[in-house]
Amino acid sequence: DQQVKQNSPSLSVQEGRISILNCDYTNSMFDYFLWYKKYPAEGPTFLISISSIKDKNEDGRFTVFLNKSAKHLSLHIVPSQPGDSAVYFCAVSHTGTASKLTFGTGTRLQVML
Amino acid sequence: DAGITQSPRHKVTETGTPVTLRCHQTENHRYMYWYRQDPGHGLRLIHYSYGVKDTDKGEVSDGYSVSRSKTEDFLLTLESATSSQTSVYFCAISESSYNEQFFGPGTRLTVL
Repeated sequence: DQQVKQNSPSLSVQEGRISILNCDYTNSMFDYFLWYKKYPAEGPTFLISISSIKDKNEDGRFTVFLNKSAKHLSLHIVPSQPGDSAVYFCAVSHTGTASKLTFGTGTRLQVML
Repeated sequence: DAGITQSPRHKVTETGTPVTLRCHQTENHRYMYWYRQDPGHGLRLIHYSYGVKDTDKGEVSDGYSVSRSKTEDFLLTLESATSSQTSVYFCAISESSYNEQFFGPGTRLTVL
């Protein structure tokens, strides 16, 4: 039973437009949320995180939104660039077991020229 | 980039043989983790360590053991490899349990 779901396996976006990646979770105990980016043959790279006391966190072109009532988070990339083409994983944890990240299955983003 | 290396980077082995994967860090981080990545599953935690000689199980620990005798090294052992353990294995480190984790480059293991 997957606790973290990324329902879109893939997403294609034109360069310069907004990319929106979505993630849903089932356990309301989760209170720390992260996004990772992964290129082929490399390890995941940390992008951005948000704690449950916030509903938005920005870092340059990347913004993460958290909707606790809907148990939903999203990653917005604006503007999208070809170098953003990668697989994006959301990950969640809760304070009681903060060492343990639970990952979604990933969304492959392709940014087209 | 965080100083994390994994060895070997690629390995092909036969069913029933023992295999040890090594993760080495130069960041002096307390926490170290082993994950496996499989299609349709994302990354799943196998074992983690919260200090020298302190380890705990993750979501998919059956068939795996770990050891950490030094801060910088975290070993993952498959005592008797099976084909279901064919996967890409990632090591990760973090300063504390409340920080983001940084990942190594991965080891691709094939069990024939």
